Amino acid sequence: GAVVSQHPSRVICKSGTSVKIECRSLDFQATTMFWYRQFPKQSLMLMATSNEGSKATYEQGVEKDKFLINHASLTLSTLTVTSAHPEDSSFYICSVHSHNEKLFFGSGTQLSVL
Amino acid sequence: GENVEQHPSTLSVQEGDSAVIKCTYSDSASNYFPWYKQELGKRPQLIIDIRSNVGEKKDQRIAVTLNKTAKHFSLHITETQPEDSAVYFCAARANDMRFGAGTRLTVKP
Repeated sequence: GAVVSQHPSRVICKSGTSVKIECRSLDFQATTMFWYRQFPKQSLMLMATSNEGSKATYEQGVEKDKFLINHASLTLSTLTVTSAHPEDSSFYICSVHSHNEKLFFGSGTQLSVL
Repeated sequence: GENVEQHPSTLSVQEGDSAVIKCTYSDSASNYFPWYKQELGKRPQLIIDIRSNVGEKKDQRIAVTLNKTAKHFSLHITETQPEDSAVYFCAARANDMRFGAGTRLTVKP
């Protein structure tokens, strides 16, 4: 399956600062990557679809100005949480569809906003 | 859009027993149904999947069944072991992947 690398694995930041999370597809050129958010003991909620070379597609209720997505190459997508607040604290995880449609996940980023 | 419901939310079994987790979906266009296992603080791992042209698939102790008419699919784990303890998510894909709420499986030694 696809190998997906995500960094950082854990970040603690002050309220009002911005945090960038990187997602890399190491062995597969991904025109599309997906960003999910997971609260403790809850399911994976799709936030947005990251499209290489074009604008991301956001799910209803997800603020595009709050969660900036950049997919500048076939192997890298970034999610920037801007002006983070405590309610943004969550587990953020990216994923990639391999050529046979299987979905593989990055290792996730635990964001804690103080 | 697609809506996936998963039951039960928690499941506790004795080692060696079988475990069954059930999911239903709403979008008849969904054609791919994976199952993921997630251990605490780790990424979800794909354990088995099934496509809409197949009714059943088995991989050692794990099997998945699909009933397209009823729009439901199930995960079956036989001869459960303590290391099977984790949260399991079903998913269904039409345009994009939607996940069930998860089932916390505990296998008691």
